[in-house]
Amino acid sequence: GNSVTQMEGPVTLSEEAFLTINCTYTATGYPSLFWYVQYPGEGLQLLLKATKADDKGSNKGFEATYRKETTSFHLEKGSVQVSDSAVYFCALIMWNFGNEKLTFGTGTRLTIIP
Amino acid sequence: EAQVTQNPRYLITVTGKKLTVTCSQNMNHEYMSWYRQDPGLGLRQIYYSMNVEVTDKGDVPEGYKVSRKEKRNFPLILESPSPNQTSLYFCASRQGGQPQHFGDGTRLSIL
Repeated sequence: GNSVTQMEGPVTLSEEAFLTINCTYTATGYPSLFWYVQYPGEGLQLLLKATKADDKGSNKGFEATYRKETTSFHLEKGSVQVSDSAVYFCALIMWNFGNEKLTFGTGTRLTIIP
Repeated sequence: EAQVTQNPRYLITVTGKKLTVTCSQNMNHEYMSWYRQDPGLGLRQIYYSMNVEVTDKGDVPEGYKVSRKEKRNFPLILESPSPNQTSLYFCASRQGGQPQHFGDGTRLSIL
């Protein structure tokens, strides 16, 4: 079956540091890939997505590139802010006209200290 | 404003007392789904619905029921809750090949 493996947390960084959260996937076929963010007390919000190999998703200074050869979708940001503190989930979906459910990684808690 | 609304947001109850968590979306989406979020496990799908009167099991359906009598509503029913159903629950909806919209979550504690 499909699966997503992402970097264990928690991750603590200083403000303006460079962020990488690793994500790799296993899927039969060509999934679409997503990063969702969950701020304290809130639901999941879509942060960015990529639908095919070599696509780069970007939003709010975050970027991730769909790498088919390494089955990866690592999240990066050049300079993090305190407001980026949240839990980040990598996820995939296979479009098969059936139960196109999201398969999630376990989540990575990110804390940014001033 | 596009919304997925869950109620209640928080609930503490006791083993065996039936409860229902409501979910409503205002986007006329066909696909709706319930997930539970547990530490170290991420989100796992409980049930989903492709359209009105069409529901099916996800990965962890045991102990849960759902119904889809109207397009906008997709309640999650725990007929006889047990402590292992203590979790954070999310409802989501989607249309076509678009990403899912999530509700703000319902935190259930079963004592």
